[in-house]
Amino acid sequence: DSGVTQTPKHLITATGQRVTLRCSPRSGDLSVYWYQQSLDQGLQFLIQYYNGEERAKGNILERFSAQQFPDLHSELNLSSLELGDSALYFCASSLEGQLNTEAFFGQGTRLTVV
Amino acid sequence: AQSVAQPEDQVNVAEGNPLTVKCTYSVSGNPYLFWYVQYPNRGLQFLLKYITGDNLVKGSYGFEAEFNKSQTSFHLKKPSALVSDSALYFCAVRDLEGGGYQKVTFGTGTKLQVIP
Repeated sequence: DSGVTQTPKHLITATGQRVTLRCSPRSGDLSVYWYQQSLDQGLQFLIQYYNGEERAKGNILERFSAQQFPDLHSELNLSSLELGDSALYFCASSLEGQLNTEAFFGQGTRLTVV
Repeated sequence: AQSVAQPEDQVNVAEGNPLTVKCTYSVSGNPYLFWYVQYPNRGLQFLLKYITGDNLVKGSYGFEAEFNKSQTSFHLKKPSALVSDSALYFCAVRDLEGGGYQKVTFGTGTKLQVIP
């Protein structure tokens, strides 16, 4: 158990809909990362938050947004969903400020858009 | 900008034989390198990391990795492969971006298939 909790584990929704994925980081970790993993594109970095503030943006679509709350949990919002958004979405957390620390990953949310 | 390359999409090895999964990197400063493993339908799990010091790093499940600064490589190795090692392996590099915050970049992953 990595200590990172993601809910829900599975999500099936229709095109055009909006969903919210939730992540609770490991106790003490201030930094949260979101990744998308699809079959043909490997692990794509979406966005990073540190202590409530956005720190870095990767290949995140404008239809997607995220936030980190005061209790440090994070949510990834995906809207106007398309078939191509079907993927595994991972959240990871780490102790920011220390380059020598590894990231801890949640089990992921498998999103299927039909 | 930092980058990581895993040149092999898949590596096949017979059980009991040594295995190597390749990784090369590019960073502007000192490299902080990691290997993660992903089993089917699971999240990534940390295997090992290189920060400084010995070029041979030992990690979980009998894995080790060799850091080579001149070749900018960080290959993952295991002396004797097990069928249970079959999984997807990711190399990652961590560096400081402009503004002083950290960025983690993952390779595209290498699927390891250990054949009984």
